Amino acid sequence: LAKTTQPISMDSYEGQEVNITCSHNNIATNDYITWYQQFPSQGPRFIIQGYKTKVTNEVASLFIPADRKSSTLSLPRVSLSDTAVYYCLVYNAGNMLTFGGGTRLMVKP
Amino acid sequence: GAGVSQTPSNKVTEKGKYVELRCDPISGHTALYWYRQSLGQGPEFLIYFQGTGAADDSGLPNDRFFAVRPEGSVSTLKIQRTERGDSAVYLCASGANTGELFFGEGSRLTVL
Repeated sequence: LAKTTQPISMDSYEGQEVNITCSHNNIATNDYITWYQQFPSQGPRFIIQGYKTKVTNEVASLFIPADRKSSTLSLPRVSLSDTAVYYCLVYNAGNMLTFGGGTRLMVKP
Repeated sequence: GAGVSQTPSNKVTEKGKYVELRCDPISGHTALYWYRQSLGQGPEFLIYFQGTGAADDSGLPNDRFFAVRPEGSVSTLKIQRTERGDSAVYLCASGANTGELFFGEGSRLTVL
């Protein structure tokens, strides 16, 4: 399974757009890129998943370049409640999902 | 509710005791995962079920850990001869093989 690398932490301010980039150099043809969010004392929550180009939902956008060796999670106009840990994972049907250390996002007023 | 349910939410036990943690997944989800999470760390994979069978148990740390899912629904994680290092939050998640997992609130295990 492809290993992912993402920044350990990021700081932002309310109202700003936040972009978290993840590298997955060994991604395989059948792998999907998946992002989760985790608040303290809660289980992770699925945010978004994509295979290539751009995916957008009501929470975030996911940008994946043509070589798929990296991806960027974009959170528009963050608020204090977006302070959480964000995990980038590579998913392949039938295989287990492996979490790394994640990116701790701190949104400041 | 219709989410993943884990019991107990908190368990305090003594070193050497046996512990069972239960996970009730979302109805119809064939995939069920167990993870454990220590403070400040990401969830660590333990075992993954497809239906009744363990598709991947490579994350179980040693033979003191065992998990079952006899009818393809509820799963139980069993820990024998608990050690202080087993203290963590044990997370269960279920899914329909789409990459979207639904997590429970976790069972916090403290071994004294």
